[in-house]
Amino acid sequence: QKEVEQDPGPLSVPEGAIVSLNCTYSNSAFQYFMWYRQYSRKGPELLMYTYSSGNKEDGRFTAQVDKSSKYISLFIRDSQPSDSATYLCAPDPHRDNYGQNFVFGPGTRLSVLP
Amino acid sequence: DTGVSQDPRHKITKRGQNVTFRCDPISEHNRLYWYRQTLGQGPEFLTYFQNEAQLEKSRLLSDRFSAERPKGSFSTLEIQRTEQGDSAMYLCASSLDMNTEAFFGQGTRLTVV
Repeated sequence: QKEVEQDPGPLSVPEGAIVSLNCTYSNSAFQYFMWYRQYSRKGPELLMYTYSSGNKEDGRFTAQVDKSSKYISLFIRDSQPSDSATYLCAPDPHRDNYGQNFVFGPGTRLSVLP
Repeated sequence: DTGVSQDPRHKITKRGQNVTFRCDPISEHNRLYWYRQTLGQGPEFLTYFQNEAQLEKSRLLSDRFSAERPKGSFSTLEIQRTEQGDSAMYLCASSLDMNTEAFFGQGTRLTVV
């Protein structure tokens, strides 16, 4: 079983829709998770940190963790065409002392249609 | 500071040639990471540095690959005798220390023909 799994998509939604992006993980020791957004042919940019104990909101973005099912979600409200990108989730190893490198899922490709 | 900088952005090379990439991290960031990303996949860890010390290398990093960070600032990644399978985006990231988030550069896209 891979450490981090995501549905690769592509996921296409109309502008203004609420988007739900999901990620599952296998190691119950993970506590912190990062969401990165990657535009085509660009490097990943950090979007949000998630801690296992609850939700985190930042503008139109909400990150959520369900530790009981090892399931992480990123919600995007009022989605915009500029949100079209690949979204990568990755456990943060530093705080967990789980090795010293990030493990990324394959990413979910999102297209928001105007 | 404009973030993590990588050079070149694109590199096309013939199979068997050597290539070298450079990464300039964010100032005062002690940790520097190299990742490789192929189409449709997430980044895969290659190696990381704490200041000038290379502390971990992935098994993906064959003996044709070597990374350095001689003064604890910029880093180079060299690939010797390139193969077509080396074609990928090579990403560099840096973080202030182990308890802070990492920021990625724009990557160097390598094409081996």
